[in-house]
Amino acid sequence: EIVLTQSPGTLSLSPGERATLSCRASQSVSSSYLAWYQQKPGQAPRLLIYGASSRATGIPDRFSGSGSGTDFTLTISRLEPEDFAVYYCQQYGSSPGTFGGGTKVEIK
Amino acid sequence: QVQLVQSGAEVKKPGASVKVSCKASGYTFTSYGISWVRQAPGQGLEWMGWISAYNGNTNYAQKLQGRVTMTTDTSTSTAYMELRSLRSDDTAVYYCARVPLPTLFFDYWGQGTLVTVSS
Repeated sequence: EIVLTQSPGTLSLSPGERATLSCRASQSVSSSYLAWYQQKPGQAPRLLIYGASSRATGIPDRFSGSGSGTDFTLTISRLEPEDFAVYYCQQYGSSPGTFGGGTKVEIK
Repeated sequence: QVQLVQSGAEVKKPGASVKVSCKASGYTFTSYGISWVRQAPGQGLEWMGWISAYNGNTNYAQKLQGRVTMTTDTSTSTAYMELRSLRSDDTAVYYCARVPLPTLFFDYWGQGTLVTVSS
């Protein structure tokens, strides 16, 4: 199965700053079938990005995804207070679909 | 609006079974699949499998093969996940999520169901 490694484990930033989250796959993710989710404490995950770079319905344009092959990035251009959360990447190009371990974005 | 509403929390003893429901509304149930994802306390997300609400085809995570069964009832737009021979490490929040087949990402999620396995 494809193993996804997210880095850093924790990102400490201030509101208004730019956040760059990495997701690296152990082998190439076919057709850029890579998604990103946001999860806040006590809540279900929320889809942000699918197909590596397509924003889901209702997601603000400060969230963007990029990458292909084995290296993918989620960028939050300017952090809003509501963006402090845990972010997971997921590959769905090969079975089983797998998740990364998550990156926590916390307030500095 | 798309909604997935799950059944309530469960407490089970080791060796027992649990069946969690997920009632869908706001879209054509048979045009999508449903996947199940679990999250142990303080841990990350684990994909358990999916089912097509169109034809009932399933794909389960290998580690759960033989213990998990996913079904749907199209008359009530409800999906079910049954897990048998429960162990303490099955304690987790279980989520259902809509899957826009044939792609396998999750665009809408249920609120989660806490299943606690304890003697």
